Amino acid sequence: LAKTTQPISMDSYEGQEVNITCSHNNIATNDYITWYQQFPSQGPRFIIQGYKTKVTNEVASLFIPADRKSSTLSLPRVSLSDTAVYYCLVGDTHQGSSNTGKLIFGQGTTLQVKP
Amino acid sequence: NAGVTQTPKFQVLKTGQSMTLQCAQDMNHEYMSWYRQDPGMGLRLIHYSVGAGITDQGEVPNGYNVSRSTTEDFPLRLLSAAPSQTSVYFCASSPRTSGRVEQYFGPGTRLTVT
Repeated sequence: LAKTTQPISMDSYEGQEVNITCSHNNIATNDYITWYQQFPSQGPRFIIQGYKTKVTNEVASLFIPADRKSSTLSLPRVSLSDTAVYYCLVGDTHQGSSNTGKLIFGQGTTLQVKP
Repeated sequence: NAGVTQTPKFQVLKTGQSMTLQCAQDMNHEYMSWYRQDPGMGLRLIHYSVGAGITDQGEVPNGYNVSRSTTEDFPLRLLSAAPSQTSVYFCASSPRTSGRVEQYFGPGTRLTVT
C-alpha cells in the first residue's frame, strides 16, 4: 500500500508562510500527488495536484523533489480561515498500477492559525 | 451542475436495521468512492468503483455493500447496522485520467446507530 506520512498538527500565525511535508516512499510511476483541505462538518476540498517539480495556483504551491518520495504544500501568508485539516493523497501502489483506484487518505495535518 | 449529492443528510438507525445511503453525480465521472470519517479521525475508504458495473473493496468494507449500475449513481448499503458504524459518510467522484486523482466530495451523511 502506498502510505503517506504527515505531521499530526502544526501551528502558525496570520501572515506567515506554512509548509506541510508529506512522505510517500512507495509512490508509483504514474501517480500524481494531491492535497485536500477539510473544514469541520464539510467534505474535503481539492487544493492542488502535481507530478514533479513545482506547481502553483492561486491558493498554494506544491514542491516535489526529483525522487518524488515526498512533497511539500506551501500556503503563503495564511489567515485564520486557513485553519483546517490538510490531507496528502497518492494512488495505491499495492497492485502495481495507479489505475487500480484505491485512493487512501493519510491521517492529515491539523493546521491551527492564530491571530 | 449539482456536483456530488448525498441523501439523506442525517439518519438515526437502531442496531440491526439496514438502509441505503444514496450518492449521485452529474459530471459523468468514471470513478466514485465512499469514505467514512469517525469523530476526530481521517477518512477511510470503504468501497470504490472505476466505472459502471465495476466495484472493489477499500480499507474498511465489512458491513457494507455497493453497486454501480449507472455512471451517475453509487449507493452504499448498510446490511445490519451496528453502533461501530456511527460516522460521517462521504461520497466522492473523479474524472480519472491516468493517475490524476482529483476527487469531488459530497456534503456527507451523518449516521448514528443506537
